[in-house]
Amino acid sequence: TQLLEQSPQFLSIQEGENLTVYCNSSSVFSSLQWYRQEPGEGPVLLVTVVTGGEVKKLKRLTFQFGDARKDSSLHITAAQPGDTGLYLCAGMEAGSSNTGKLIFGQGTTLQVKP
Amino acid sequence: DAGITQSPRHKVTETGTPVTLRCHQTENHRYMYWYRQDPGHGLRLIHYSYGVKDTDKGEVSDGYSVSRSKTEDFLLTLESATSSQTSVYFCAISETFANYGYTFGSGTRLTVV
Repeated sequence: TQLLEQSPQFLSIQEGENLTVYCNSSSVFSSLQWYRQEPGEGPVLLVTVVTGGEVKKLKRLTFQFGDARKDSSLHITAAQPGDTGLYLCAGMEAGSSNTGKLIFGQGTTLQVKP
Repeated sequence: DAGITQSPRHKVTETGTPVTLRCHQTENHRYMYWYRQDPGHGLRLIHYSYGVKDTDKGEVSDGYSVSRSKTEDFLLTLESATSSQTSVYFCAISETFANYGYTFGSGTRLTVV
């Protein structure tokens, strides 16, 4: 079973600061997704990256897939209190294209203080 | 947009009793998944379905069974609930392959006392 390690697990910052969350594995994933989850709700998809080296931007959020498709990062510029939540990375297992199974990292809890 | 709903949202049950959680979708998606979420473990796959009556086990399937008799419904049953099954359970659906992302339900918080 492939594993995804997220770091840091907890992050508390002031509004306006920048931050980066990392998602690493020793295995190759065919694609990787990032989700954001708020208390009492299910995760919501932010982005999917499928090509090694791919960079996607979503307003102040920048997502990157490693060249070898083993790692990914999420960078938030000028964080705002509304960015507070649990961020989860998830990768599709190699050979799971016919089942769509995802492996999830443990998550990064982000708190942005006003 | 309630394309996927879970019921109940909260449940407290006693050890040893059977429990069934329901996931209902209106999106006609082929793939459906049951995950549990626990602190420090993220989301772990319990069972999944790739079509009506087509199901398979995930990484933490012991003590759980599933059924999918219709495209829109995916049931998760705890045959005899244990305290270790206290968790938040999420159902997710996917249109084709996971590259397109999952849509999650709002979860069921289950407490086994």
